[in-house]
Amino acid sequence: DVKVTQSSRYLVKRTGEKVFLECVQDMDHENMFWYRQDPGLGLRLIYFSYDVKMKEKGDIPEGYSVSREKKERFSLILESASTNQTSMYLCASSLGVGRNGGNIQYFGAGTRLSVL
Amino acid sequence: QKEVEQDPGPLSVPEGAIVSLNCTYSNSAFQYFMWYRQYSRKGPELLMYTYSSGNKEDGRFTAQVDKSSKYISLFIRDSQPSDSATYLCAMSAGSNDYKLSFGAGTTVTVRA
Repeated sequence: DVKVTQSSRYLVKRTGEKVFLECVQDMDHENMFWYRQDPGLGLRLIYFSYDVKMKEKGDIPEGYSVSREKKERFSLILESASTNQTSMYLCASSLGVGRNGGNIQYFGAGTRLSVL
Repeated sequence: QKEVEQDPGPLSVPEGAIVSLNCTYSNSAFQYFMWYRQYSRKGPELLMYTYSSGNKEDGRFTAQVDKSSKYISLFIRDSQPSDSATYLCAMSAGSNDYKLSFGAGTTVTVRA
């Protein structure tokens, strides 16, 4: 089974803090994704990565950055947390281009972040 | 207009009822269609994966795709309280696509 592990289930941070959310996948997947999920807005893509050190902006990248130094690990960074970044953050991975079922995304359990 | 529209519900049904969930989409290039189930405070998990038009059945779950109408459905037969969750549809044009387009999700409660 594919396993996507997010380092924290719940986080509480203060406005202005730098926040790191970590995600690790154990299936040698090429692609990794960060989403936020808010009531009524569904899943919104923040950033994704299709290879080590490669990244592309998603639909709502403002206020976020990412890092992918190793294939299995994808980090989301909030440079200066703000209250409007309080949300559920979901990490996902997918097998990659040219593979059967390569577009199926597998999700972690999520990190519920509260910024006070 | 959103690329994928999904009625957010909530939907409440008695145990044993048939649950019908739907998504419509605007991009005629979509060929791969998925349904995810998300329990409260958990991440989404893949439930069904289909390609192009037609039906796919897996136990109590049936996924239907009608590309001519740009409409997909998920049916849950003999619904159980354990089926209470949010169901999200997702789709992409090709298996090489990095990104998926998601519906906003429909919350379903099955009453015992």
